[in-house]
Formats: sequence, C-alpha cells, structure tokens
Amino acid sequence: EVQLVESGGGLVQPGGSLRLSCAASGFTVSSNYMSWVRQAPGKGLEWVSVIYSGGSTYYADSVKGRFTISRDNSKNTLYLQMNSLRAEDTAVYYCARDFYGSGYSWFDPWGQGTLVTVSS
Amino acid sequence: SSELTQDPAVSVALGQTVRITCQGDSLRSYYASWYQQKPGQAPVLVIYGKNNRPSGIPDRFSGSSSGNTASLTITGAQAEDEADYYCNSRDSSGNHPNYVFGTGTKVTVL
Repeated sequence: EVQLVESGGGLVQPGGSLRLSCAASGFTVSSNYMSWVRQAPGKGLEWVSVIYSGGSTYYADSVKGRFTISRDNSKNTLYLQMNSLRAEDTAVYYCARDFYGSGYSWFDPWGQGTLVTVSS
Repeated sequence: SSELTQDPAVSVALGQTVRITCQGDSLRSYYASWYQQKPGQAPVLVIYGKNNRPSGIPDRFSGSSSGNTASLTITGAQAEDEADYYCNSRDSSGNHPNYVFGTGTKVTVL
C-alpha cells in the first residue's frame, strides 16, 4: 500500500526551528517528485516546496531562504527543515507525492498531516 | 504568481448534479487536478489530467476544461460528497516551478 506518514510537528516559539519528517511506504521517495503543502487553520491549501527525483529543490516565495526540503534515500523519508519560524507559518503540513508531466500535475497520495504552531 | 478562483460555496440536492468551477491563467497551460477534503482529514485526489479518476473514486466525479476554466462535476451527489473541494495546477507565470491551489469551494448536500 502506498502511504505517507508525517511527524515532527509541535509548538515552537517565533524565530525557532523545527524539522518535519515524512516516511513513505509502497514506493521510493528518491524516484519521485515530492512536495510539502500546508494549510493554516480554517484556510485553504498552500504549496510550500518540491524536491525533484534528480535532487533539484524549489520553494514558495513565502518560505524561500527559511525552509529546506531534503530526503534520506536510505530511510525512504522526506524532510522539511523550518527555520526562523513566524506566526504565519502556523499550519497543518502535508507531504504528498507529486506527479508532473507536460501539461499536467497532481498530488497523490497525501500524508495525514502534522500540525505546526508558532506562538510564544 | 497566478491565482485560481473558485466560488466559496455551493449547495446541491441529494441525487442532483453540481458543477464547481476554477478559473485562472495557469489553466491555459495545465490541466487542473481536484481534491476533496472533509473536516479534519487530508485532501484526497478525485480528478487529474484531462478527466481521470484515481482508483476508488466513484464515476459520478468528472472533470472538464475550456480556456482558463476547469470544472469538477458531481453527477448524482451523495451525502458523503459534502466536503471542501480544491483545484490545483502548476503555475507557469514565474521563472521557477510553482504550484497554485484554488480558493476552495464548500459543497453542501441538502
């Protein structure tokens, strides 16, 4: 079964750091594009970052320079290192497998999400 | 960056048909994908590509596209279809890969 399980969320003070993990099963993380998507409380979905199978990484402008996406091939796990956290980063963070081709893209499956709360 | 605009809310009588639309410039270059999200749950892919359903998604869900508008149609809506629905596409406006989600549509089944 193809599955993603996130962990690592929690309460952190403004300016602090947190690392999220996303453990995959049923497929190989390094052979796929993988994204992080977040959802602030009561709000819509916002794409955060993607790592390509070749290793290239890209970020939304809102997190560029503060967040780093990476993966550990031996653990088949995706990560999101979040530094200099702000109150507006408070959200449920989802990881998702990212399919992309000429003229199309989609996310499937999604993990269950992990809540990050940035507050003093 | 581009935006994708959806109606905030729609309602549909049980067993009737409802169409949800998504408008944005990126849809001229990319097909939309559609996600169903129920309260407290992760989003679930319901339509991708031209009009494809993942395994397990009922055939009452269908997608279409024309110009800068994508549509998700639920034909014969069921009570379990009550949820928030989001469209998504790649964003072709910038100089680096980006993705944009729609503003979301809350579907109420009466």
